[in-house]
Amino acid sequence: EAEVAQSPRYKITEKSQAVAFWCDPISGHATLYWYRQILGQGPELLVQFQDESVVDDSQLPKDRFSAERLKGVDSTLKIQPAELGDSAMYLCASSPDRPYEQYFGPGTRLTVT
Amino acid sequence: AQSVTQPDIHITVSEGASLELRCNYSYGATPYLFWYVQSPGQGLQLLLKYFSGDTLVQGIKGFEAEFKRSQSSFNLRKPSVHWSDAAEYFCAVGLILTGGGNKLTFGTGTQLKVEL
Repeated sequence: EAEVAQSPRYKITEKSQAVAFWCDPISGHATLYWYRQILGQGPELLVQFQDESVVDDSQLPKDRFSAERLKGVDSTLKIQPAELGDSAMYLCASSPDRPYEQYFGPGTRLTVT
Repeated sequence: AQSVTQPDIHITVSEGASLELRCNYSYGATPYLFWYVQSPGQGLQLLLKYFSGDTLVQGIKGFEAEFKRSQSSFNLRKPSVHWSDAAEYFCAVGLILTGGGNKLTFGTGTQLKVEL
């Protein structure tokens, strides 16, 4: 069964350092999502791509976060500089054009010290 | 704007007992509704979804959910809980975007504990 791949699974970084996460969606899925999940809360959408174009990045803190999906396949989410409040699980998901259900990867647990 | 409320933060049930997790949504049109399950340190797995049609939907692992428009609810049920069902459960409402894709808004989750 096809799955969404994410790496790394865990990342510990110091405040003010740069960090990057990678996601490879299920083959053929045009839509890719990045979520942030703070402990004890539901996931919140950071950015959504349709192929290589950004559809929604209204909740992405653009002063420090960036995301790209250059060839419309895999994607990278970057934080620079990292802050203590960025400690969270970062989840990637993808969905086909229809029927729209999203499939999630295992996530990257980020700890900023 | 769409929103989801899961009023129960924690629920404890005995193995073999029935389960109902509550979900209420706020949405201006016919909603797309989902239930996901998350085990500790893992991603989310889709349990079931409602798009239209029959208001009682069946999902994986023996779960079902009923859409009640009059109550703006989409409660998740299971007749007999297994110890392996212990996890966090998230209800979500989806907005189909004209640019493509499906924007999900999640509830805060319900943590299920199963007593043996």
